[in-house]
Formats: sequence, C-alpha cells, structure tokens
Amino acid sequence: NAGVTQTPKFQVLKTGQSMTLQCAQDMNHEYMSWYRQDPGMGLRLIHYSVGAGITDQGEVPNGYNVSRSTTEDFPLRLLSAAPSQTSVYFCASQARGTNEKLFFGSGTQLSVL
Amino acid sequence: AQKITQTQPGMFVQEKEAVTLDCTYDTSDPSYGLFWYKQPSSGEMIFLIYQGSYDQQNATEGRYSLNFQKARKSANLVISASQLGDSAMYFCAMRDRGFKTIFGAGTRLFVKA
Repeated sequence: NAGVTQTPKFQVLKTGQSMTLQCAQDMNHEYMSWYRQDPGMGLRLIHYSVGAGITDQGEVPNGYNVSRSTTEDFPLRLLSAAPSQTSVYFCASQARGTNEKLFFGSGTQLSVL
Repeated sequence: AQKITQTQPGMFVQEKEAVTLDCTYDTSDPSYGLFWYKQPSSGEMIFLIYQGSYDQQNATEGRYSLNFQKARKSANLVISASQLGDSAMYFCAMRDRGFKTIFGAGTRLFVKA
C-alpha cells in the first residue's frame, strides 16, 4: 500500500547547489505532477507528465527540470538552487479518468540558504 | 488561461453549524473537473469531493456537498454540522481535459467549540 513515495522529507541546500527530489508511485498511474506550496499561494503546478516520455510545463516551471523515463518515477531536479525555491514540494499521481482524484506524496520541505 | 480563485483566506465557524467555502474558476474548456481537498496541520492532502462539468446534480459526500453553479463558474464547498476536526486548510482545484490540475490559494477554516 505504498501509493506515492517522495524522498527526502526534509532537505537543506546552499544557494547554487543541485539536487533531485524523488517521486515514485506503484499504482500504474499515467499522470504525475509536481507542486510547490507556499503560504498564501496554495499549490502551484511546476511540471506534469501524462505518460512515460511526455512532460510539460505547469505554472511555475523556471529553475526546475523533470523527466519521465518510466511510468513509476517522476524526479524533480533543481539545477542551481535559489532561496526563492524554499518551499514544500508535493508529488502527485492520478489515474486516467475524468473523475480521478490526485494521490499525493507526503511532501518535501526544502530550505535553500 | 485557467484560474481558480478562493477569496476567503480564513473562516470561522461554530461547532455543529454549516459553513460555505467559496471557489470560482475560469476556463474555456467545456470539459473539466472540480475537486476539493483538505489539508490538516499534519500536511497531508485529503480528497473530499468531485464535480464534473457535465454533471447535472450537485455532488455530495457525507457532510460535504458541492454547490455547483456552472453559469456563474462557482463551485462552493458546503460542510454541514462542522466538527473540531474540520479545522484545516481547504483547497479548490480544477482539472482540464489534459489532466492538468491547478489549485486555488486555499481557505483556512477554524472550528470553534
């Protein structure tokens, strides 16, 4: 019953460092997405994917890269971290279906100093 | 462009009373889905209710109902008989036909004993 697994749960980076947030789901969902949550701004879509090999930009894609080589995994890469990327990050997956809800990971709290 | 607006940053309700959380949306796509999610202080995202754009009747799930007014592009969440455990952040979300889901800024609900 793993669902959506996100790692790490907490991370502190220095400005300019790079890192990858990992996301994996075991429900064979075609759709996966990354969000960032900041106080007063809700969840904003960073990137999303509608299947292996297919990704697209969301509302706030700058500074982030993604790839989707398998159905299960959808990593989010920060190439050069900036303080503005301090946030809580959520990965989510969704089955193909008009009424299908999002399944969320437990979130990653990222601080960039 | 798609947009979700939640104009109530914070709401107070007395225990056992009903409360309405507002949500308006904007889209040119005739096919879309509307969702409400709850985020308690623990940080997890919990799916509450779904309404499809072609659904004729308002959705209901236990104490939750969605007041869907398509012409006004509103999808308000009604919580009946509020409980202390309903204190949380509530997010309205919209999914387009391409399975991209965006969120509003959220409403923090406080339930008073």
